[in-house]
Amino acid sequence: EAGVAQSPRYKIIEKRQSVAFWCNPISGHATLYWYQQILGQGPKLLIQFQNNGVVDDSQLPKDRFSAERLKGVDSTLKIQPAKLEDSAVYLCASSFPWTKDTEAFFGQGTRLTVV
Amino acid sequence: SQQGEEDPQALSIQEGENATMNCSYKTSINNLQWYRQNSGRGLVHLILIRSNEREKHSGRLRVTLDTSKKSSSLLITASRAADTASYFCATAPSAGGTSYGKLTFGQGTILTVHP
Repeated sequence: EAGVAQSPRYKIIEKRQSVAFWCNPISGHATLYWYQQILGQGPKLLIQFQNNGVVDDSQLPKDRFSAERLKGVDSTLKIQPAKLEDSAVYLCASSFPWTKDTEAFFGQGTRLTVV
Repeated sequence: SQQGEEDPQALSIQEGENATMNCSYKTSINNLQWYRQNSGRGLVHLILIRSNEREKHSGRLRVTLDTSKKSSSLLITASRAADTASYFCATAPSAGGTSYGKLTFGQGTILTVHP
């Protein structure tokens, strides 16, 4: 089966610019996640969608980050304006919902460098 | 915020040796999962152990879980150069519902296996 697709793979922007990342989850996966992974650390959950509704966005810096999942399939994550500390790998993951023992399937990630 | 800590932060061994990584966490969990991340790539699910299980095997992997100590260990036997990667533990909360999929990752252990 096709995996989680993300684009672009790499992005370099200047601080205060905006950037958007795209994710297409595995077909049939209702749950979609965006994680931020800073170099040398483990992934940190930014936002979790169930279909096209937000389940948890408690760790999303809402003053600059936004995410949407229209029609419950593809999702975009946007940063506006970007700061130097936003440099990280942004990982999208998807999973089946509502099961106790669910594993997450991750995309390759987008490596963002803010200069 | 990160759920817990992993140790060692880095591990260097020779091919054929066993590698053991440890993970500690802080809150009640439904399950604990281990993921592998090769350089520049997304995370790949390795194994899941439920909170009512104490040990689980999958191929060359052996995972133990001690909920009283809030700790887990991952053993890779007869390691290969291809096992070189970062390994992360991730916990799923026991809160239930949509929280099942909300994974919290540790900082990771960097494993290097020398041929």
